[in-house]
Amino acid sequence: DTEVTQTPKHLVMGMTNKKSLKCEQHMGHRAMYWYKQKAKKPPELMFVYSYEKLSINESVPSRFSPECPNSSLLNLHLHALQPEDSALYLCASSQAYLGGLGANVLTFGAGSRLTVL
Amino acid sequence: QKEVEQNSGPLSVPEGAIASLNCTYSDRGSQSFFWYRQYSGKSPELIMSIYSNGDKEDGRFTAQLNKASQYVSLLIRDSQPSDSATYLCAVVPGGGADGLTFGKGTHLIIQP
Repeated sequence: DTEVTQTPKHLVMGMTNKKSLKCEQHMGHRAMYWYKQKAKKPPELMFVYSYEKLSINESVPSRFSPECPNSSLLNLHLHALQPEDSALYLCASSQAYLGGLGANVLTFGAGSRLTVL
Repeated sequence: QKEVEQNSGPLSVPEGAIASLNCTYSDRGSQSFFWYRQYSGKSPELIMSIYSNGDKEDGRFTAQLNKASQYVSLLIRDSQPSDSATYLCAVVPGGGADGLTFGKGTHLIIQP
């Protein structure tokens, strides 16, 4: 299994809703990432988990809350989002822990396209 | 601020020709360099990684790295319409602890 699976593929939510994005990989990768990508822009790093511990939080607003229940799963909990949060949310994983050999050789999931009304 | 610069394009290349994509980076301590391909509405896909000066070839793709000039490029030989995509240059700044820094991407169009 060489895939990163993200669900749902599409999500529409209101500003008062609570929803979650899910990500799963079974490649034995020890680092997992959340990126946000707006149209015609490069991916922006949001969070990095290394060995199931939060390693990087790129000053993301608290309405985004990551969770790593185990080494294969990564969630992004969404609450009280704004319309400007509408974007493609990409999950990625890498073989090695952040900074080690093989780190940053990322495998991306297909993404979850989020629309906030 | 550590930056990765790419010409956003679009870069238009005839089918069968060589497409040349360029990238410069500001952090002289950078050690790892990547090219990702991203089709419209899809997620990025790793095309090439390069870590040392010189050329690295994989099929129709060649990555070139010149650390002295802080320059990395991607050549695509025998360009095909299916190569039409946005190509993202990504660099790991010195130290490696901050993850990838992406360039804004070059939009490549292969004309049949």
